[in-house]
Amino acid sequence: DTGVSQNPRHKITKRGQNVTFRCDPISEHNRLYWYRQTLGQGPEFLTYFQNEAQLEKSRLLSDRFSAERPKGSFSTLEIQRTEQGDSAMYLCASSLIQAEAFFGQGTRLTVV
Amino acid sequence: AQTVTQSQPEMSVQEAETVTLSCTYDTSESDYYLFWYKQPPSRQMILVIRQEAYKQQNATENRFSVNFQKAAKSFSLKISDSQLGDAAMYFCAYRRVTSGTYKYIFGTGTRLKVLA
Repeated sequence: DTGVSQNPRHKITKRGQNVTFRCDPISEHNRLYWYRQTLGQGPEFLTYFQNEAQLEKSRLLSDRFSAERPKGSFSTLEIQRTEQGDSAMYLCASSLIQAEAFFGQGTRLTVV
Repeated sequence: AQTVTQSQPEMSVQEAETVTLSCTYDTSESDYYLFWYKQPPSRQMILVIRQEAYKQQNATENRFSVNFQKAAKSFSLKISDSQLGDAAMYFCAYRRVTSGTYKYIFGTGTRLKVLA
């Protein structure tokens, strides 16, 4: 399968713990996006990379969130000191420069 | 800032009938992309159709077509001959073409139910 891959698919964590998600984009795609989606809502932009450079980060994103894309390949999204409000589906997408985004299946985070 | 509005939280259609989902957007840009994505229950989001703003011709993909009204900033999706497999959340999305931010901006979605 050559689509966007996200791991883990589900994560349950206790409030205050740190979590890290991984995204493997489609191999030739140079743009990578992270979105958050809560039940019944549309995806909300978090951040995106072009190759290894993080070009934009949402102002809604607190400093507990950090993302990396070393060597312009896979990406990780870390949430420190998780809160119940962080419970959501975290979506990763990748694209070529002037093309549509392809989404992964997401990581569902539950903070208890 | 660009915004995308989907005013229909839920729509229903009888199998084999036609349904239209509405989307409006706000932007000061002249060139941009518009998309419709489909998200089946517990499954990943997939692209249904894409429209470049500079193209006057409405995009079509098999049973899916759009009505793109640039002046009105309207981008509706028409699904013909609806099938049970069309049941899903549908999201309208916008993205700039020129330099600046390349993020995709999504609406809140429309849940489509297909009745047998």
